Amino acid sequence: AQSVAQPEDQVNVAEGNPLTVKCTYSVSGNPYLFWYVQYPNRGLQFLLKYITGDNLVKGSYGFEAEFNKSQTSFHLKKPSALVSDSALYFCAVRDMNRDDKIIFGKGTRLHILP
Amino acid sequence: DSGVTQTPKHLITATGQRVTLRCSPRSGDLSVYWYQQSLDQGLQFLIQYYNGEERAKGNILERFSAQQFPDLHSELNLSSLELGDSALYFCASSAPLQGNEQFFGPGTRLTVL
Repeated sequence: AQSVAQPEDQVNVAEGNPLTVKCTYSVSGNPYLFWYVQYPNRGLQFLLKYITGDNLVKGSYGFEAEFNKSQTSFHLKKPSALVSDSALYFCAVRDMNRDDKIIFGKGTRLHILP
Repeated sequence: DSGVTQTPKHLITATGQRVTLRCSPRSGDLSVYWYQQSLDQGLQFLIQYYNGEERAKGNILERFSAQQFPDLHSELNLSSLELGDSALYFCASSAPLQGNEQFFGPGTRLTVL
């Protein structure tokens, strides 16, 4: 069965420092991987995705993520955090060879400290 | 603005009642997904429709049902409501290709008193 884990409920980072939000996944086949962000009282917004190709994926708002097949990870990164990056971040996975169901992680709350 | 619309924005009702949530997908998107988000359960996938037909089912209770109409809008029906059904309900849509990301609506906040 497919699954996705976000091991940290909350991550605190000082403004201007690099940030990493962790995600690991489990699928039987090849994965489609996604990151979404949710601001208070809003729906989820798509940030970036990995389908195939280059392991380093660049997305919106300066975020990027690195697909690591051997470690089954897809960590979200940003070189320099902004206070406005504070939000709830979700990793999601879909098995390429199965139905269209996407599994979301439980979310990681990112706090950027000014 | 994602292009996905949901109505109503807020809904307050009593236990035992029935409500209908409505979603209009982005123009051209054939897939519609429903999610429930609560503080203790996180984001739970409920059900997906593709071009009018049920495609995938998640943790959807038997008291809940959904459908997608020929114009591709979707409705989620929640009946015999319980206090624990209070949550944010999101609809999302995606384009036909399997690897395409989902676009989420602003959600309907349901409060059951």
